[in-house]
Amino acid sequence: DTGVSQDPRHKITKRGQNVTFRCDPISEHNRLYWYRQTLGQGPEFLTYFQNEAQLEKSRLLSDRFSAERPKGSFSTLEIQRTEQGDSAMYLCASSPGGAGKNIQYFGAGTRLSVL
Amino acid sequence: AQKVTQAQTEISVVEKEDVTLDCVYETRDTTYYLFWYKQPPSGELVFLIRRNSFDEQNEISGRYSWNFQKSTSSFNFTITASQVVDSAVYFCALSGYSGGYQKVTFGTGTKLQVIP
Repeated sequence: DTGVSQDPRHKITKRGQNVTFRCDPISEHNRLYWYRQTLGQGPEFLTYFQNEAQLEKSRLLSDRFSAERPKGSFSTLEIQRTEQGDSAMYLCASSPGGAGKNIQYFGAGTRLSVL
Repeated sequence: AQKVTQAQTEISVVEKEDVTLDCVYETRDTTYYLFWYKQPPSGELVFLIRRNSFDEQNEISGRYSWNFQKSTSSFNFTITASQVVDSAVYFCALSGYSGGYQKVTFGTGTKLQVIP
């Protein structure tokens, strides 16, 4: 049983560029979540999917951010026209259905640095 | 609105000492879940425990124990006989009925350093 996988682990980009991150959840987990974590803070919820449906988006998710989960398996998070304030760790998590449906299992994250 | 407060930013203990990490929460939901996660230097958040608001029984798992007190809105975490491998940032978290139990609110974390 492999865990949540995120790619890339690190991304350095110049301000104004677009970046895309990928998350592969634990197989058979139908819920997938994106969080952002800045230094010295806890993760902040961004959005979550149940299968391919995006059910909730935080107000933190500006128009420059878009997330997709087209086939209900992997997900992508795209940031357009990156800003220095977007520098953070982006965490993905997944959870199963049933009794354990709200226990979220996290990946190692993608660390974004915007220069 | 939900809020989780971890007032201890950093704690240092000598190996084999016991240590308690404090967590206080706020929620208007009558049903909710509380969690603890561990984030080692590698960065991956590791799930430790989930408790629901109806179950105030304390729990022990090896060297770890949790004390849930609804009356004081606290969910404290104790590590007995700490080890160097316990060094990490520990997060307390909450998800409530109003968020469908899916939107998790994390505290700011407590960094634990266990000195050999």
